[in-house]
Amino acid sequence: QITLKESGPTLVKPTQTLTLTCTFSGFSLSTSGVGVGWIRQPPGKALEWLALIYWDDDKRYSPSLKSRLTITKDTSKNQVVLTMTNMDPVDTATYYCAHRREGIAARDFDYWGQGILVTVSS
Amino acid sequence: DIQMTQSPSSVSASVGDRVTFTCRASQGISSSLAWYQQKPGKAPKLLIYAASSLQSGVPSRFSGSGFGTDFTLTISSLQPEDSATYYCQQTNNFPLTFGPGTKVDIK
Repeated sequence: QITLKESGPTLVKPTQTLTLTCTFSGFSLSTSGVGVGWIRQPPGKALEWLALIYWDDDKRYSPSLKSRLTITKDTSKNQVVLTMTNMDPVDTATYYCAHRREGIAARDFDYWGQGILVTVSS
Repeated sequence: DIQMTQSPSSVSASVGDRVTFTCRASQGISSSLAWYQQKPGKAPKLLIYAASSLQSGVPSRFSGSGFGTDFTLTISSLQPEDSATYYCQQTNNFPLTFGPGTKVDIK
């Protein structure tokens, strides 16, 4: 059974760096084909893809946020960490981590965490 | 970036109705499209991948079709639990992009 759960601060100040951790079970990021992504959703708005990391440490980022994002994995801990620098109130959103569906060239997400609402405010 | 649009933005239908809504990509994406259902306060749920493949465990009343730039999601017989917002996502190219969603209400 695959599960994912996001953790981190729920309130950050403008200009601060956000660090979110996705802790998962039911799969290993050392297994060929596995990937974990981050997606966010501002209140009442649509989903926005942020980043994706693969088992082989290949990393993909949203170009509009690439300068601010870093995604890493800790295979031994079954965790993926997303850092976002220079937080702004417009970054207020629910942040989700999700398991990439396994399949050739698959880039959709079949298991999602519950999400964590991060508010950016002074 | 590939832009995704969805129509209508909202639809109200009765239980048992056949409901269809569309997703359009700004350029051809072959069959690289997924559909998600999201209920308030919950994470999205994958319904359809590769435009027409039903995700395991998803009721067969959901179906997807399309290729290239135009795609549809159909609910053959709307159920009360289908009240949700539906998002499409293109998986053809990075950056991955989602549509703005279609909200489905039950009359």
